[in-house]
Amino acid sequence: GESVGLHLPTLSVQEGDNSIINCAYSNSASDYFIWYKQESGKGPQFIIDIRSNMDKRQGQRVTVLLNKTVKHLSLQIAATQPGDSAVYFCAENKNSGTYKYIFGTGTRLKVLA
Amino acid sequence: GAGVSQSPSNKVTEKGKDVELRCDPISGHTALYWYRQSLGQGLEFLIYFQGNSAPDKSGLPSDRFSAERTGGSVSTLTIQRTQQEDSAVYLCASSFGQGRNQPQHFGDGTRLSIL
Repeated sequence: GESVGLHLPTLSVQEGDNSIINCAYSNSASDYFIWYKQESGKGPQFIIDIRSNMDKRQGQRVTVLLNKTVKHLSLQIAATQPGDSAVYFCAENKNSGTYKYIFGTGTRLKVLA
Repeated sequence: GAGVSQSPSNKVTEKGKDVELRCDPISGHTALYWYRQSLGQGLEFLIYFQGNSAPDKSGLPSDRFSAERTGGSVSTLTIQRTQQEDSAVYLCASSFGQGRNQPQHFGDGTRLSIL
């Protein structure tokens, strides 16, 4: 099927290594952030979220770090597996009940066997 | 199923034809979004529905685009007189409410190709 994001930055990692994917967000007023994973031919899948009152949040094999000073968000994937190969992108949302999110263009993660 | 369902999954049509894309959100989700995703681009917001409120249509790129949501559930995105630049993946998402701490759940999209 069609592959989304053919010209995205690519991160290649060896299976079993840790991966770090970065995102620079745009709005200093944003206070809620989400990481999505999008496999080829599929819709974006929610991975983990974080609010601006936190610096770090952990899930299963994933950790999100938030640095509000430099408006930077990162996703760390531990012990990367072939099934982690996908495009990852971040989304930011500003408080006050707004429903509009700003989505990044994404990074393609390739896991090498 | 329990997720957002979109149909058709693929649509190929000739320039100038009208197309209709369907989205069935997660049951109980009051918010519904349509996005467009082009190669190498971030998600482009098209339209937002929340309950019985008037939809936010500010993202629709032209008057050839329209959307409806009947009964607060299923939504249809219609593109009239399609152009080649309309070729993209059209994604639908739904959420339980709006704003903070309400992540959107996406369908797998409709891949639209205009010949």
